Amino acid sequence: DGGITQSPKYLFRKEGQNVTLSCEQNLNHDAMYWYRQDPGQGLRLIYYSQIVNDFQKGDIAEGYSVSREKKESFPLTVTSAQKNPTAFYLCASSVTTGQINYGYTFGSGTRLTVV
Amino acid sequence: AQTVTQSQPEMSVQEAETVTLSCTYDTSESDYYLFWYKQPPSRQMILVIRQEAYKQQNATENRFSVNFQKAAKSFSLKISDSQLGDAAMYFCAYPHGADGLTFGKGTHLIIQP
Repeated sequence: DGGITQSPKYLFRKEGQNVTLSCEQNLNHDAMYWYRQDPGQGLRLIYYSQIVNDFQKGDIAEGYSVSREKKESFPLTVTSAQKNPTAFYLCASSVTTGQINYGYTFGSGTRLTVV
Repeated sequence: AQTVTQSQPEMSVQEAETVTLSCTYDTSESDYYLFWYKQPPSRQMILVIRQEAYKQQNATENRFSVNFQKAAKSFSLKISDSQLGDAAMYFCAYPHGADGLTFGKGTHLIIQP
């Protein structure tokens, strides 16, 4: 079955440490996204990528970095510059053909906790 | 910039009853889409229903339907014959083509047995 796989499901980070969240899709979607979810805040866009080797900052990109070397993969690195990284992180992908938006598909998320 | 507002942080409904979740949005576009997503306790985001703004007819998916009022920029979700499995967070979302989604803050739906 096609879908998005995020790993790990739970991740613990020490102060000052960089960690990388994995996101892989086999849907052949061109666009991929990272969202952060905090209680009472809904989902906020961190970074997105519409094609390989290109990506754009979203609303809350500070303290995060991404790469898009392959169509299927869009890893997110939470750097030590992110002062409040404890949150639930969701990866998504989408396909838009012309003016038709077929919706976004989400992974099952990674829960990151600072210890 | 587009904004999405869900004014009901929490709603409660008896099983088998009907409930309506509210959403308003702001955009200067004339053609666009709107989505409702469900997030159950597993936290998986599930697309419930999609509305295309240029279509006059309200979208329907089984027990889920929308009341889309384009002039008022209102996009409410009606759930008929509520079931225990409908308990979840519900998010209204505005897609910016391939540039990502803007979400409302969500409505927590409680189903009373």
